[in-house]
Amino acid sequence: GAVVSQHPSRVICKSGTSVKIECRSLDFQATTMFWYRQFPKQSLMLMATSNEGSKATYEQGVEKDKFLINHASLTLSTLTVTSAHPEDSSFYICSAPYQGVKDTQYFGPGTRLTVL
Amino acid sequence: GNSVTQMEGPVTLSEEAFLTINCTYTATGYPSLFWYVQYPGEGLQLLLKATKADDKGSNKGFEATYRKETTSFHLEKGSVQVSDSAVYFCALSYNTDKLIFGTGTRLQVFP
Repeated sequence: GAVVSQHPSRVICKSGTSVKIECRSLDFQATTMFWYRQFPKQSLMLMATSNEGSKATYEQGVEKDKFLINHASLTLSTLTVTSAHPEDSSFYICSAPYQGVKDTQYFGPGTRLTVL
Repeated sequence: GNSVTQMEGPVTLSEEAFLTINCTYTATGYPSLFWYVQYPGEGLQLLLKATKADDKGSNKGFEATYRKETTSFHLEKGSVQVSDSAVYFCALSYNTDKLIFGTGTRLQVFP
């Protein structure tokens, strides 16, 4: 099946720094990608929809200035956590719908962010 | 609003036991329903799906039937294996590819 990768798989940073997470579709093009956040023992919460060539669409309650999303190409979306704080520590997961096949998405393996 | 509720885990079973993981949903209209599985260290993978009432999704011995009257989509398998140990997520969507997930249920199968 199609593959979506994320980099890095885990990152530890100091409070106040910014962290960039990359999501790549390796063998298909994705005009749309989704970013989720997963808290321990909780479901994945959709943060935003990343759109190639246009602005991302954020879900209610998600700070646009805190979580910057850039969909630079048909195979790459990035999530930048700006001025990170310990409460931003979480597991971030991206997904990409497989165009032309309804209800088919591929998920990245996730990125564990720990802010000290 | 729309939501998905799953039974809490972990579910611990012996190999060859029967598995049921309950999932109920709250939604308007007719969403598509999904079960995703997350093996250790890997991304979520689609296990099965159903797009309309009374549809049965099946894959790898797992089954789930879209029950509109009870707003349920319970996951079942007749005989689990150790390799089925993973976290299972129930989810719904409405033609937009946006997924609403349940909290996930961890399954542990012992030989």
